[in-house]
Amino acid sequence: AQKVTQAQTEISVVEKEDVTLDCVYETRDTTYYLFWYKQPPSGELVFLIRRNSFDEQNEISGRYSWNFQKSTSSFNFTITASQVVDSAVYFCALSEVGGGNKLTFGTGTQLKVEL
Amino acid sequence: EADIYQTPRYLVIGTGKKITLECSQTMGHDKMYWYQQDPGMELHLIHYSYGVNSTEKGDLSSESTVSRIRTEHFPLTLESARPSHTSQYLCASSDFPASHNEQFFGPGTRLTVL
Repeated sequence: AQKVTQAQTEISVVEKEDVTLDCVYETRDTTYYLFWYKQPPSGELVFLIRRNSFDEQNEISGRYSWNFQKSTSSFNFTITASQVVDSAVYFCALSEVGGGNKLTFGTGTQLKVEL
Repeated sequence: EADIYQTPRYLVIGTGKKITLECSQTMGHDKMYWYQQDPGMELHLIHYSYGVNSTEKGDLSSESTVSRIRTEHFPLTLESARPSHTSQYLCASSDFPASHNEQFFGPGTRLTVL
């Protein structure tokens, strides 16, 4: 069975600080996809990134970057120079190719960015 | 930009009422999903569909039912609402394999049963 662990339930930072959100996953499949979603107070889930299991290249998109390491089954998310608008709950998720495209979510990390 | 809609956004009802949460998508996606999310908690899959006339139960047992008569429409029904059904319900769709498993989410329905 697949599992996603986000050990950090809540993180508070001051604006402009860098912050890393951790995600550790478990799966028996060799082919799978990892995702990060952002959930602002409005409740909608916003897609941030998708990474397949064969692509371990790290990715940077503006202030966001992702570090995928299969050796440690981790897919960590870093926000550089955080802003108040980054305050939200962030979910890491896993989808196995043979699992009917179902997503397994972690418990989420509440990020609070204060002035 | 994903085009998936949920109505109502907020619903407060009394115990015993029958309710239907609507979900529609205009992207022509075959796969659709319903997730339940308690405040501050993870999302749990309660129903999914691979296409018209296909419905499956998800990982979390739910007293709700779903139907998929049209590709674009995936309503969720509670025959007799109870306070334990109070939660946020999120609908999603996917055109896997084209989307490589990415799911597009609606804005959610916050249900409160008194």
